[in-house]
Amino acid sequence: QVQLQESGPGLVKPSETLSLTCAVSGSSISSGYYWGWIRQPPGKGLEWIGNIYHSGSTQYNPSLKSRVSISVDTSKNQFSLKLSSVMAADTAVYYCARRGLASAFDIWGQGTMVTVSS
Amino acid sequence: QSALTQPPSASGSPGQSVTISCTGTSSDVGGYNYVSWYQHHPGKAPKLMIYEVSKRPSGVPDRFSGSKSGNTASLTVSGLQAEDEADYYCSSYAGSNNYVFGTGTKVTVL
Repeated sequence: QVQLQESGPGLVKPSETLSLTCAVSGSSISSGYYWGWIRQPPGKGLEWIGNIYHSGSTQYNPSLKSRVSISVDTSKNQFSLKLSSVMAADTAVYYCARRGLASAFDIWGQGTMVTVSS
Repeated sequence: QSALTQPPSASGSPGQSVTISCTGTSSDVGGYNYVSWYQHHPGKAPKLMIYEVSKRPSGVPDRFSGSKSGNTASLTVSGLQAEDEADYYCSSYAGSNNYVFGTGTKVTVL
């Protein structure tokens, strides 16, 4: 079955760039789906960050667009998130997910906690 | 875009039903039939329960049902079971390749 696994540093300093990767297994990342990033700050709800297609076409949350970059590496079957100029408010569990059925996120990774702190 | 509004909490006894609302605007919930619902047990990956307002993915019990009226979508869990205790989030397509989630509802099985 399709599985997603996030990886990356758990601690990032303020003003630096957060970088995470999502490895896709059980399916080709070029199989016709969008792949996305969603986050959840401690004690808060989910927030959509952005999506990417295997062609490299991207969709970003307008509130984060100036700081977000999502890329795809089809040779490694993975996609990545970069969030620049991070601040404490960017502390969250970051999930990667597949955008499948009718714009719903049907498969999710387990999530990875990222803390922004000096 | 603002988060969709959900009640912070809902509860019911085993076997009862609970309904969670998700209120947006004509630019998201009211404008598209792309409302989905997710069950989230803390520390685990969120699970898709409903998509396209009322459709259930394979494997989701038919105790879970979704509907929409105007700018408000709803998730009903019938025949509550202990394992249904979790956080539930709605989500909607919001046009222009944007997506918005709800504020989340904690469901407690009494």
